[in-house]
Amino acid sequence: DQQVKQNSPSLSVQEGRISILNCDYTNSMFDYFLWYKKYPAEGPTFLISISSIKDKNEDGRFTVFLNKSAKHLSLHIVPSQPGDSAVYFCAASAYSGGGADGLTFGKGTHLIIQP
Amino acid sequence: ETGVTQTPRHLVMGMTNKKSLKCEQHLGHNAMYWYKQSAKKPLELMFVYNFKEQTENNSVPSRFSPECPNSSHLFLHLHTLQPEDSALYLCASSPAVGGTGPYNEQFFGPGTRLTVL
Repeated sequence: DQQVKQNSPSLSVQEGRISILNCDYTNSMFDYFLWYKKYPAEGPTFLISISSIKDKNEDGRFTVFLNKSAKHLSLHIVPSQPGDSAVYFCAASAYSGGGADGLTFGKGTHLIIQP
Repeated sequence: ETGVTQTPRHLVMGMTNKKSLKCEQHLGHNAMYWYKQSAKKPLELMFVYNFKEQTENNSVPSRFSPECPNSSHLFLHLHTLQPEDSALYLCASSPAVGGTGPYNEQFFGPGTRLTVL
C-alpha cells in the first residue's frame, strides 16, 4: 500500500504559466515533507521542504503548500521555465525518536514545460 | 570530488556473480542510505546507516549485503541476484544529527544502473 501518492504521472505546462504538482499521503505520522527534482541519468536533487507545523513554504519560484487535514501537499512553480522539465518526487518522513529516517517517496510526476 | 558519488555508474552481472556498489559522500554527513528504483515504482528505501550503525533494514533479501566502514563510505555487496533485481540503485546521505526535519534532507548520488542477466 502506497503511503505517498502522486496520481499524475505527467503534466504539461506552457512556459511562463504556473505548474502545480500534487501529492497525497496516508500516514498521519509523517511530519516532514520534501520535494525532489530528477533529471535523466542523475540522482534526485532536493528542491524544497515543509514541516507539518507550517502550511506554506516559499523559496523563489517554488512554493509548497501543506493541507494536513486533507493529507495533501502541492508544489507550485511560477513562472515555469524550460529548465523545470524533469521528474518531481514527493517524499515524506516520520520522526522515529532520533537518528536518521529513510524517506517514503511517491512515484513521481514528469513535468514538461512547453515553449 | 563534491557531494555524493557512486561507482560504477553502470553494471551488468550474471546471476552467479559477486559484485559491489560503492558510495562516497563528501558532505560531512552522518547518515547514509541505499534506495532502489525499479521501473514504474517509487524509490524504495533499503538500508539506513546512522553513525556507521545500521538502523533500518527494510525487509531486503539477504543477497543484498550493506557495509558502512565509516560515515563517508557505504557499500552494497551483491551476490546471486535475480533478473528482477535489475534497477537503479541510489545512495544518499543526510546530516542526521537527530530527529526529523531539515536534518533529514537527503542528498543523492547519480545512481548505479544494475542489469542482472
